[in-house]
Amino acid sequence: GENVEQHPSTLSVQEGDSAVIKCTYSDSASNYFPWYKQELGKRPQLIIDIRSNVGEKKDQRIAVTLNKTAKHFSLHITETQPEDSAVYFCAASIGTSYGKLTFGQGTILTVHP
Amino acid sequence: EPEVTQTPSHQVTQMGQEVILRCVPISNHLYFYWYRQILGQKVEFLVSFYNNEISEKSEIFDDQFSVERPDGSNFTLKIRSTKLEDSAMYFCASSVYGTGEAFFGQGTRLTVV
Repeated sequence: GENVEQHPSTLSVQEGDSAVIKCTYSDSASNYFPWYKQELGKRPQLIIDIRSNVGEKKDQRIAVTLNKTAKHFSLHITETQPEDSAVYFCAASIGTSYGKLTFGQGTILTVHP
Repeated sequence: EPEVTQTPSHQVTQMGQEVILRCVPISNHLYFYWYRQILGQKVEFLVSFYNNEISEKSEIFDDQFSVERPDGSNFTLKIRSTKLEDSAMYFCASSVYGTGEAFFGQGTRLTVV
């Protein structure tokens, strides 16, 4: 089955810096790649997603890039703010799998004021 | 904005007891999921449900687990005989098409003592 690896496990940045989180996936049939933000004790919330027919997608300070050949995708957060502090999970889904998401291990992002 | 809702928010049960976790997916969604998250670990897929039947299940989802959509709005996860290792946060999720964004509930924290 699909396996998703995520790095780094923790990331500490100063407010205003950029943060990059990287994920690799194993199954070339995966075609949907969402990123979820989870604040302490809360539900995972989708912040951005990308499909395999697109190489990059941006939404304000957040962007995701996908390299299908290398089977990796990355989350980029620019101009980080303290409220960006959370756990970020990448995930991958195969189109024929009824939407089953395979998650990475998570990255604890801390943005210091 | 519509949300997936789960009850209860926290459930404490004795080992060996049966528990039922309840979820109300978003009303026009057709695909339903249960995930679990052991404290400090990644979110793990348990089961997907579409058209009143299980479409996929993980190795975790053994004979102790079952799911049901008893009416047009609820989606339940039953654990027949709970074990200590079942202690986790259980998330329900739903999506419209099964190939895109999944919306997560706020979770039920299950503690087995």
